Amino acid sequence: AQSVTQLGSHVSVSEGALVLLRCNYSSSVPPYLFWYVQYPNQGLQLLLKYTTGATLVKGINGFEAEFKKSETSFHLTKPSAHMSDAAEYFCAVKRETGGFKTIFGAGTRLFVKA
Amino acid sequence: EAGVVQSPRYKIIEKKQPVAFWCNPISGHNTLYWYRQNLGQGPELLIRYENEEAVDDSQLPKDRFSAERLKGVDSTLKIQPAELGDSAVYLCASSQGYSSGNTIYFGEGSWLTVV
Repeated sequence: AQSVTQLGSHVSVSEGALVLLRCNYSSSVPPYLFWYVQYPNQGLQLLLKYTTGATLVKGINGFEAEFKKSETSFHLTKPSAHMSDAAEYFCAVKRETGGFKTIFGAGTRLFVKA
Repeated sequence: EAGVVQSPRYKIIEKKQPVAFWCNPISGHNTLYWYRQNLGQGPELLIRYENEEAVDDSQLPKDRFSAERLKGVDSTLKIQPAELGDSAVYLCASSQGYSSGNTIYFGEGSWLTVV
């Protein structure tokens, strides 16, 4: 069964610092990969996704992620954190076999310090 | 274009009482999902509809949960009777089909507290 592991339930960075949120998946077949963001009291919003093609994917709000098949990873990065980036981030995996079910990680809460 | 609309946003009920949540998906989206999100966790799928048909309800606790999507548009999720452990956020989502990398769009969620 496929699964998604987000390393670190909480990450704290200073404003202007690099943001790195880690996501590893288990899948024998290259999956489709997503990052969602959830602001307080709101639903999930798509940040970016990888389906095929270029392994470095750019998303909204300056975020990007790189699909590394050899490492089964899809880490999310942003060069310079803003206070408005404080939110919960979810990595998700979708795989063709098994009925295209989307599996979400447990989430990483990002704190941004002034 | 309007997003996924859910109501009510917040609901507090006593255990053993019934509760219902309503969802209106994005226009033209034939796939509709209900997820449950417990505190500190990611969303977990309860049920997925393709038009009017429930094609994946394997995670829906059918003894107390029910859902319907009449006419293939709006959907209702019902819990009867509610238990303390049902306290969670119930997220409705929709997508244009269910294959490959189709993006799932989420509503703001219905926050349920059972006391």
